[in-house]
Amino acid sequence: QSALTQPASVSGSPGQSITISCTGTSSDVGGYKYVSWYQQHPGKAPKLMIYDVTNRPSGVSDRFSGSKSGNTASLTISRLQPEDDADYHCISYTSSSTWVFGGGTKLTVL
Amino acid sequence: EVQLLESGGGLVQPGGSLRLSCAASGFTFSNYAMSWVRQAPGKGLEWVSVISISGYTTYYADSVKGRFTISRDNSKNTLFLQMNSLRAEDTAVYYCAKIDREHYYDSSGYYPGQYWGQGTLVTVSS
Repeated sequence: QSALTQPASVSGSPGQSITISCTGTSSDVGGYKYVSWYQQHPGKAPKLMIYDVTNRPSGVSDRFSGSKSGNTASLTISRLQPEDDADYHCISYTSSSTWVFGGGTKLTVL
Repeated sequence: EVQLLESGGGLVQPGGSLRLSCAASGFTFSNYAMSWVRQAPGKGLEWVSVISISGYTTYYADSVKGRFTISRDNSKNTLFLQMNSLRAEDTAVYYCAKIDREHYYDSSGYYPGQYWGQGTLVTVSS
């Protein structure tokens, strides 16, 4: 159960788009359509933003979208806003019927 | 309103034990699987464990397997995490999270959902 690989940090200016990658193996990300993404502000509990690779829970802005290609899942945030400045975490289902997170990505909105 | 309230965290010596609780309200607890996720200080999230609706099916991260036990009391709307043989690397904020899908029995749907508790801090140190 090795952690998924995410970039430590990404940045963008308000109004721009950014993409955060989440790379695993064929035993997790590549093998299933079960990747979720979470947003976490400092000192707060995580918030679910995307589930099952592409689905948004009700109430989550359509500026957030998810995709997957091979062993890499991606979270794209369009039209960046200051409140998007947060940590983002991916999680994937694994062949062991368990779940594994990525290391997290710090998004800075410049 | 869905609420999850963790308790039981604190300072414990290496090798010691601790039992965390998560009191649930605002939904039919016995209809949902539940999970535990932890976060070491300044680090990313780590999935710990999940338990099915009935409590008969459980899964654990390799890092805690054999030391931690997840359980639930559906009559008291409470989730538990019994932690034994604690190590310094178990130091973290522990969150309980509700699985989104009701009456769901497939582990592929057991991602931590929209509702999380505020977390309880466990510190393992001598």
